[in-house]
Amino acid sequence: KQEVTQIPAALSVPEGENLVLNCSFTDSAIYNLQWFRQDPGKGLTSLLLIQSSQREQTSGRLNASLDKSSGRSTLYIAASQPGDSATYLCAVLTGANNLFFGTGTRLTVIP
Amino acid sequence: GAVVSQHPSRVICKSGTSVKIECRSLDFQATTMFWYRQFPKQSLMLMATSNEGSKATYEQGVEKDKFLINHASLTLSTLTVTSAHPEDSSFYICSARTPGQANTEAFFGQGTRLTVV
Repeated sequence: KQEVTQIPAALSVPEGENLVLNCSFTDSAIYNLQWFRQDPGKGLTSLLLIQSSQREQTSGRLNASLDKSSGRSTLYIAASQPGDSATYLCAVLTGANNLFFGTGTRLTVIP
Repeated sequence: GAVVSQHPSRVICKSGTSVKIECRSLDFQATTMFWYRQFPKQSLMLMATSNEGSKATYEQGVEKDKFLINHASLTLSTLTVTSAHPEDSSFYICSARTPGQANTEAFFGQGTRLTVV
């Protein structure tokens, strides 16, 4: 069964810092990997989608990489802002049409 | 990106009553929608896959008679929590993927916070 792990579970950084969030998965047979943002008590906002054939995707200050063979993905956030404070979730899509989620990294950007 | 709308965002109900949650894809047709549950400080767990015009597929351990799913149109799926009990209190989120191949992007509703008292 696919297992998705995110490290660290929580992270606090001062405003302006660059940071990296990590995601690992046990089964490399995935269709794609998606990074989401979740604000407290809210739904999920899709940030980036990386297909299994791709190595990275970029959107603004966000860059996500995928190394499928090693079962790892990173989300890089440049020049962090207080508005980036949220929980970040990664999820992998398997052939069973199921998204397996990690437990998330709770990010706090301190002004 | 595509928009998935979920309603209500928050509901409080008495133990023993039923609650219906709606999930709509606003700008695309979704033949398949997904229902997730999230407990505090835990990740999302898939409950069931809702298929338009046919029966839903439930994950192991999810009671299909308790969590009734109806997907009567290409833009609407509903989840009804029947005879709700306090242990059903949770955050329920629906999802749909844009049409196309199996690896399209997933979009999520705003979630519904259910509290059973």
